Parts: sequence; C-alpha cells; structure tokens
Amino acid sequence: RKEVEQDPGPFNVPEGATVAFNCTYSNSASQSFFWYRQDCRKEPKLLMSVYSSGNEDGRFTAQLNRASQYISLLIRDSKLSDSATYLCVVNFFGNEKLTFGTGTRLTIIP
Amino acid sequence: SQTIHQWPATLVQPVGSPLSLECTVEGTSNPNLYWYRQAAGRGLQLLFYSVGIGQISSEVPQNLSASRPQDRQFILSSKKLLLSDSGFYLCAWSVRFGVERAEETQYFGPGTRLLVL
Repeated sequence: RKEVEQDPGPFNVPEGATVAFNCTYSNSASQSFFWYRQDCRKEPKLLMSVYSSGNEDGRFTAQLNRASQYISLLIRDSKLSDSATYLCVVNFFGNEKLTFGTGTRLTIIP
Repeated sequence: SQTIHQWPATLVQPVGSPLSLECTVEGTSNPNLYWYRQAAGRGLQLLFYSVGIGQISSEVPQNLSASRPQDRQFILSSKKLLLSDSGFYLCAWSVRFGVERAEETQYFGPGTRLLVL
C-alpha cells in the first residue's frame, strides 16, 4: 500500500462547480498534513495546511479525518485558474521530511 | 524575501555523461535543503536532504550524489547518467529553527528538466 494515496483523475469540472478530492495515508502516527498545488511543468507550491479542526481559506476548505486516515480538499465556485494538479502531503514522523502523493489532476472547463 | 534558484532549466545529456545541477537560496540562513525527482506521471521522490554544510542524508540508493559546499548552495551530481535518471529535478528549502527542528513547509525552486538519451 502506498504511504499517501490519491485518485489521479483527471477531474473535468465546469466552471463554478464544487469539487472535492480525498487523500488517504497509511501511517496512523502521521502528524502534519498539507495540500500543495502544481501547475503544468512548474514547481509545487503550498496551497494550505490541514488542521485537525478543519480550515478554510476563501473558496478552499481542508478537512482531516484521523479515524479513517484521510484528508480532503473542497473547492467551491471553481475558476479556470484552479486547473492544476493537487498534491496531498504528509509529514509522517514530525521530522523534516515530507511524503508527497502522486497528485490529482483538475481541469476546470469554461 | 527569500528566493531559490536552480539551473539549468532544461538539460539534454547522453547516457554515461556526468551531471551537475545547482541550487542556491537567498534571503535566509542555515536552511534545510532538499533534492527531489519527479518522473513523468509520478510523485515527488525525495533523493537527498541536508541540515547543514557538509551534512547530506541519502534517501534512496542510486547513482546520484549531493553536496552542500556552502550554507545556501546544494549541488546534485552524477558521474555517469542512466536513462532512468531522466525527470524533473526540484530543489526545496525550509526554515530551520536552531539545531533541533525545521519548519515543515517547503518552498520549491523552478526545477530542472533532465532528459537522458
């Protein structure tokens, strides 16, 4: 089983729709969770951290479910500029290394 | 503000040739530094990380090596490239708080696309 698992997609979603991704992780002792965004042929950039209580940043909402070992990302009122690959990232041991999922590709359709 | 540079942006090399990729960070001191590889359609694989000058941890066995000759310089090298070394190489840094720990958020450079033929 992969340490961090994501549905690769692609998700093709009409502009203005709501879309959600899940990501599962294998190690129950995982400490920190993040979503990164990677545009085509570019470097990944931090989108948001994921807190135990859930957190929201504008149109983006991240949730953590420790019991089921998954995190989610919800994008509301999707924009064309949201088209990208979304990487689920986990810090398993509270140390200085991050484990990246392979990403979920999202395309917003006009 | 902090910036991270990588060069070259793209590179085409024959099998068996040497490799040297450079990464430098500006605007911070004593960062953690990382080298990742992203193969086509695959996730980021951590290759090396460094917590200080001359301190390198290797994550996977391979024919690549890394060096940190200066605080904000990280170099990825190979003596003889293999076809399987093709990929998108990303350098990243994170803030280090003293000796014990570093901030978890990592900031990536623009990457180098390497094609080995």
